[in-house]
Amino acid sequence: DAGITQSPRHKVTETGTPVTLRCHQTENHRYMYWYRQDPGHGLRLIHYSYGVKDTDKGEVSDGYSVSRSKTEDFLLTLESATSSQTSVYFCAISVAANTEAFFGQGTRLTVV
Amino acid sequence: DAKTTQPTSMDCAEGRAANLPCNHSTISGNEYVYWYRQIHSQGPQYIIHGLKNNETNEMASLIITEDRKSSTLILPHATLRDTAVYYCIVMGGGSNYKLTFGKGTLLTVNP
Repeated sequence: DAGITQSPRHKVTETGTPVTLRCHQTENHRYMYWYRQDPGHGLRLIHYSYGVKDTDKGEVSDGYSVSRSKTEDFLLTLESATSSQTSVYFCAISVAANTEAFFGQGTRLTVV
Repeated sequence: DAKTTQPTSMDCAEGRAANLPCNHSTISGNEYVYWYRQIHSQGPQYIIHGLKNNETNEMASLIITEDRKSSTLILPHATLRDTAVYYCIVMGGGSNYKLTFGKGTLLTVNP
């Protein structure tokens, strides 16, 4: 299995609080991605990174920010969590833009 | 971006081959066909990809039609553990390098 670790695996937080999810890889892959998965919507891309300090928005980026200060870590931050951000969040990595991606086990976030 | 069309669900008997179709009639010449699957509650898993030639690995075979407008993922001897949602994705070339998931096909392997 690809060396991808997501933390935390489960989190319950209150509306309005900031939340940071971490994705850590040991594969030295250049590309990293954050997805969310909700019933009826499938997997949707939030943000992605194509190198250290290089990030771009996906299709559902509103309310989220990301940072990548080193190759191995990609952080997803919810500045002020809302109930609509209750979801399962998946991180993925890939060597290059159009190569196969490897996914983490997911973080289940509940905003109450 | 090229779009894909897959059946919503399929059933297969354990031990038999599972053939999962995908239509991608708007695929462009430099786009690849990728297949992933997601077993309940787990992260998606890469299976196989191809451009125009048929491909085979330890998990599956990928058959792409000559006009590249459709493809079939074949699991040669399906097991109960192959029950999952299977996603067919077209990606690559130009700016289409973001892995975009559709609804996929729920394959249920029955004993």
